[in-house]
Amino acid sequence: NAGVTQTPKFRVLKTGQSMTLLCAQDMNHEYMYWYRQDPGMGLRLIHYSVGEGTTAKGEVPDGYNVSRLKKQNFLLGLESAAPSQTSVYFCASSGGQGGSGYTFGSGTRLTVV
Amino acid sequence: AQSVTQLGSHVSVSEGALVLLRCNYSSSVPPYLFWYVQYPNQGLQLLLKYTTGATLVKGINGFEAEFKKSETSFHLTKPSAHMSDAAEYFCAVRMDSSYKLIFGSGTRLLVRP
Repeated sequence: NAGVTQTPKFRVLKTGQSMTLLCAQDMNHEYMYWYRQDPGMGLRLIHYSVGEGTTAKGEVPDGYNVSRLKKQNFLLGLESAAPSQTSVYFCASSGGQGGSGYTFGSGTRLTVV
Repeated sequence: AQSVTQLGSHVSVSEGALVLLRCNYSSSVPPYLFWYVQYPNQGLQLLLKYTTGATLVKGINGFEAEFKKSETSFHLTKPSAHMSDAAEYFCAVRMDSSYKLIFGSGTRLLVRP
């Protein structure tokens, strides 16, 4: 009963490096989301997916790309990391209509130096 | 557009005292409303949600919230605070037609012995 699993949990990048964050869910959820959490700003939506093979931009998509090749996985990529992308990243999934809550992963703490 | 406002970035109460965390929302249609809790270095956990029906919603750990349409509010309460309630709490809103959950900026609850 893993729910939503994020890897890695911690990462330090140098400016300009690239990396991919992986999110995997085992609940057969259609919808998946990537948020970033910064102090005093709550959670802001980066990208989301409403099904396998689909992605859409959220509130703060610049500097990030995503892919959903398999229903259970949602990848978040940083092509050229910047210090402004230092944050905690959360993945979430949801199975149904508006009344469904989200199931969150435990987060990835990313530091860009 | 939807938005969520949480009044007070920090709330401090004594153990055994009433907890009241405020949340106001704006939405052009009846919303779905959620409260999440985040313990240090963890992901977000659903406390309770309002979809339709009874406006007083009970959640886990003794928390409850009341949907007041006329006041566009969804305040979170608990009659008696416990030390283990110390965490950050997020209010969120979602429309039925939207796949996205919009979060408030969060309120950190401190419980004094």
